[in-house]
Amino acid sequence: EAGVTQFPSHSVIEKGQTVTLRCDPISGHDNLYWYRRVMGKEIKFLLHFVKESKQDESGMPNNRFLAERTGGTYSTLKVQPAELEDSGVYFCASSQLASGGAFDEQFFGPGTRLTVL
Amino acid sequence: AQSVTQLDSQVPVFEEAPVELRCNYSSSVSVYLFWYVQYPNQGLQLLLKYLSGSTLVKGINGFEAEFNKSQTSFHLRKPSVHISDTAEYFCAVTLSGSARQLTFGSGTQLTVLP
Repeated sequence: EAGVTQFPSHSVIEKGQTVTLRCDPISGHDNLYWYRRVMGKEIKFLLHFVKESKQDESGMPNNRFLAERTGGTYSTLKVQPAELEDSGVYFCASSQLASGGAFDEQFFGPGTRLTVL
Repeated sequence: AQSVTQLDSQVPVFEEAPVELRCNYSSSVSVYLFWYVQYPNQGLQLLLKYLSGSTLVKGINGFEAEFNKSQTSFHLRKPSVHISDTAEYFCAVTLSGSARQLTFGSGTQLTVLP
């Protein structure tokens, strides 16, 4: 079974440009999460999709970030316009939709390393 | 809100020596606790988790962790490390219950020396 995949693995752009990151979750996983790690800091939550709906977007830093999950499959995270402080590693994770409050393990992708110059 | 503190950013240790990576958390409600490992150029992989029950949790690759509620700690241990254990290790917490976001510590780079 394929794991969580992310594209691209690396992206180098200039300040003011637009970048779109893509995440393909494990097939059948309804939960999809985006996280970000800025250099040397902790990994921070950005947002959570359940199928195509945004369940929690409290971690999104500002309105330059737009996440979508059309059809409840893959997700994209667009940064427009990119700023220097957006540099970091963006991780995607997915998990099954458990019932009755049960816990489902989040499976992580390898991340996209974004560098804004 | 929850928070996680990993006290050591870098831990060098010789091969076959024991290691302990420290993690403390803060939360006013019941939580689940995790350790993830990230090998170079790979995603985060779950090492072990504490949801409930026995406070000593065993994970993959010979790692174990002990949940200590009174000290709000969840330290990771391995009695004898290998070169292949060199990686970055993350402690994380989430509210107990249904699918929720993870709150991570800042990570500990474990370097196993020959």
